[in-house]
Amino acid sequence: GENVEQHPSTLSVQEGDSAVIKCTYSDSASNYFPWYKQELGKRPQLIIDIRSNVGEKKDQRIAVTLNKTAKHFSLHITETQPEDSAVYFCAAAGDSSYKLIFGSGTRLLVRP
Amino acid sequence: DVKVTQSSRYLVKRTGEKVFLECVQDMDHENMFWYRQDPGLGLRLIYFSYDVKMKEKGDIPEGYSVSREKKERFSLILESASTNQTSMYLCASSPQGGVHTEAFFGQGTRLTVV
Repeated sequence: GENVEQHPSTLSVQEGDSAVIKCTYSDSASNYFPWYKQELGKRPQLIIDIRSNVGEKKDQRIAVTLNKTAKHFSLHITETQPEDSAVYFCAAAGDSSYKLIFGSGTRLLVRP
Repeated sequence: DVKVTQSSRYLVKRTGEKVFLECVQDMDHENMFWYRQDPGLGLRLIYFSYDVKMKEKGDIPEGYSVSREKKERFSLILESASTNQTSMYLCASSPQGGVHTEAFFGQGTRLTVV
């Protein structure tokens, strides 16, 4: 079955710096890669997603890149702000299954 | 606004008890999921359902079962609760539609088994 690995488990950056979180997946049939943000005590919420027919997608300060050959995808947050502090989860899914498999999460701390 | 509601925010149960966690969604979504969230392990899929009365095992189904008698409701059942099932349980739903789209999560149920 699908396996998603996520690194790093924790990340601390200075406000204004960039943050990068990386994930790898095992199932080459996966074609949907969402990223979720979970603030303390709250439910995970989708912040951006990418499908396998594109290599990069941007939404303001957030971008996601996908390398299908290497089977990895990354979340990039630029000009980080304290409100970006949260746990971020990557996930992968394919059309052959309805399963949505998550990585182990990255705790991002943005220091003011 | 999509709403996914879990019946309890906190639960404390005794070892050996049968435990029911309920999840209801109001957006007519076909897919529903149960995950457990543990520190350092992320969100691990227990069971999911893509239609009424249909269910499939996720990665960690042992000790759990599910029920989906109505489209809007997906129940997770711990047949005989054990202390290693102490965790945060998250329900999610998403539309089917042939391609994956956003999954919406409930607020979570923190279950403690003593």
